[in-house]
Parts: sequence; C-alpha cells; structure tokens
Amino acid sequence: GENVEQHPSTLSVQEGDSAVIKCTYSDSASNYFPWYKQELGKRPQLIIDIRSNVGEKKDQRIAVTLNKTAKHFSLHITETQPEDSAVYFCAGWGDDKIIFGKGTRLHILP
Amino acid sequence: NAGVTQTPKFQVLKTGQSMTLQCAQDMNHEYMSWYRQDPGMGLRLIHYSVGAGITDQGEVPNGYNVSRSTTEDFPLRLLSAAPSQTSVYFCASSYSVLGNNSPLHFGNGTRLTVT
Repeated sequence: GENVEQHPSTLSVQEGDSAVIKCTYSDSASNYFPWYKQELGKRPQLIIDIRSNVGEKKDQRIAVTLNKTAKHFSLHITETQPEDSAVYFCAGWGDDKIIFGKGTRLHILP
Repeated sequence: NAGVTQTPKFQVLKTGQSMTLQCAQDMNHEYMSWYRQDPGMGLRLIHYSVGAGITDQGEVPNGYNVSRSTTEDFPLRLLSAAPSQTSVYFCASSYSVLGNNSPLHFGNGTRLTVT
C-alpha cells in the first residue's frame, strides 16, 4: 500500500522568506497529490493539488512540484506571511486510499 | 449545501463503553472515509468506503466498525472504548470514482476522550 513520508516535521522561516516542504511516496500507481493546511483547532483544508500528468502547478504564492521518477513532491510558499503559520499535510492517492504524511508545523517569525 | 457534518463535536466515554460517531454529507459523494488525528502522527486512515454497501480497512482499523447503507451516511462505531482511542476524529468525503481522484472535504471533527 501507499506510504507517504514528509519532511521536515517543524519549519521556522522569517516573514517574507520562502518555505519548502518535501514528501516522498511509495506507490508508483498514485496519481493525485493534494496539500492541506490545518490551523489550530480547525479541520484540514485543501490549498493546492497536483495530478501525475503535471510537473508543476502554481496558485499565487503557493506552488507544488512533482517528480514521478523519484516519487517525490514538494510544496513551495513564497513571501511568507503570518497567516501562513499552520500545520501542512501532504497526501498521496493511488488505488482506493488517500494516505497522509505526518505533517509539518510551519512557524512564521516576525 | 451543509458539506460534511459530524456529530457530536465532543464526547467523553468510560473504558468499555460503546458509541457511534455520525457522519453525513449532502454532496452526493461516492467516497467517504474516517481518520484519527493524534499529536505527531498526522491523519491516519481508519476505514473508507467507495460507495454504498462497500467498506474497507485503512491503516488503523482495529477497535472500529463502519457501515455504508446509504450514499449520504458513514457512521463509525467504537465497540468497546479504550484510552488509546482518545483522539480527534475526522470524517471526509470526495467525488472520486474509479481512480478519478478529487479533493477530500473534511467535517469539523469529533474530539473523543476515553477515561
């Protein structure tokens, strides 16, 4: 079955700098990779996703890249702002199940 | 649309008690799933369903049962609660059908404490 590894578990960046979170997956049949943001006490919410036939996708300050050969994908947040502080989860969806990474707690420092 | 609705929001159980966490969605989603969230462990899949009448196990199914008699509802049953089941439980649904995967929509969660 699918296994998703996420790094780092904690990340601190200065406001205005960029943040990068990386994930690897094990199931070569996985074809859909969403990223979720979870603020304290709230439910996870989708921020961006990418399908296996695409190498990169951007949405304003957020981008995701996918390397199918290496089985890894990354989330890039540019010009970070205080409201970017949250826990971010990557996930891989192949076959019937969507499996999440363990999450990255992102701190934006003033 | 209400989206994904979970009840109750909070619950305290004693060891050995049973209960059902309710989940309903009004988006006509075929795919529904239950996750538990523990500190440092991320979101772990308990059970999932790809359509009415079909259920399957996820990563951590022991101690939990599910059923899917309708498209809308996907209840999670704790048969005999244990302190290790203290967690936040999320129900999530998606339109995904036959490998055409699409985003999960999450409910607001149920915070369960077992004493």
